[in-house]
Amino acid sequence: QKEVEQDPGPLSVPEGAIVSLNCTYSNSAFQYFMWYRQYSRKGPELLMYTYSSGNKEDGRFTAQVDKSSKYISLFIRDSQPSDSATYLCASGGYSGGGADGLTFGKGTHLIIQP
Amino acid sequence: AAGVIQSPRHLIKEKRETATLKCYPIPRHDTVYWYQQGPGQDPQFLISFYEKMQSDKGSIPDRFSAQQFSDYHSELNMSSLELGDSALYFCASSSRLAGGARDTQYFGPGTRLTVL
Repeated sequence: QKEVEQDPGPLSVPEGAIVSLNCTYSNSAFQYFMWYRQYSRKGPELLMYTYSSGNKEDGRFTAQVDKSSKYISLFIRDSQPSDSATYLCASGGYSGGGADGLTFGKGTHLIIQP
Repeated sequence: AAGVIQSPRHLIKEKRETATLKCYPIPRHDTVYWYQQGPGQDPQFLISFYEKMQSDKGSIPDRFSAQQFSDYHSELNMSSLELGDSALYFCASSSRLAGGARDTQYFGPGTRLTVL
């Protein structure tokens, strides 16, 4: 079982809809959580980064973390066709070196229909 | 803003050959990470370096090695290449914040390695 679980989709929604993307994680050592957007054959692009439980908002994006249930969410408001991409959740912790590699979910392929 | 630079962007090698991938982190970032992403897969962490010392190690094969140099750029050396090594290889960089916390990882555009 992967330490970060994510439904690969595809998830198809109409333009303007609110999108909800979710992940669960199992490693209690994870301390920080990210959402990346990846277009085909491109590098992952950072969308959101948070350390703590609760909500963090940036423009049309809201990241939500619930450490008690080990649940991570990303909400996209007013979705646009340009939001069509693969969304990766990622988690990491702090080992002795402090530069831990991230553990990714498998990514959800999102399609916004015009 | 300056981003992570990776070279080459594309590389084609034969089985059993060697390859060297290069990564230039964002200016003033002191930490680099290497990831491998196979077709349809999520990125898998290989190895990281902080201040030129190996920091964390993931699923890096023994045939691979890496190092970080005094100017903070990093190189991933891959020997005895196998067909299964064909993948996108990403480098990411981050910086250490005041108080010891770590900023997030910013990814480069990747190197696409094809082994024939």
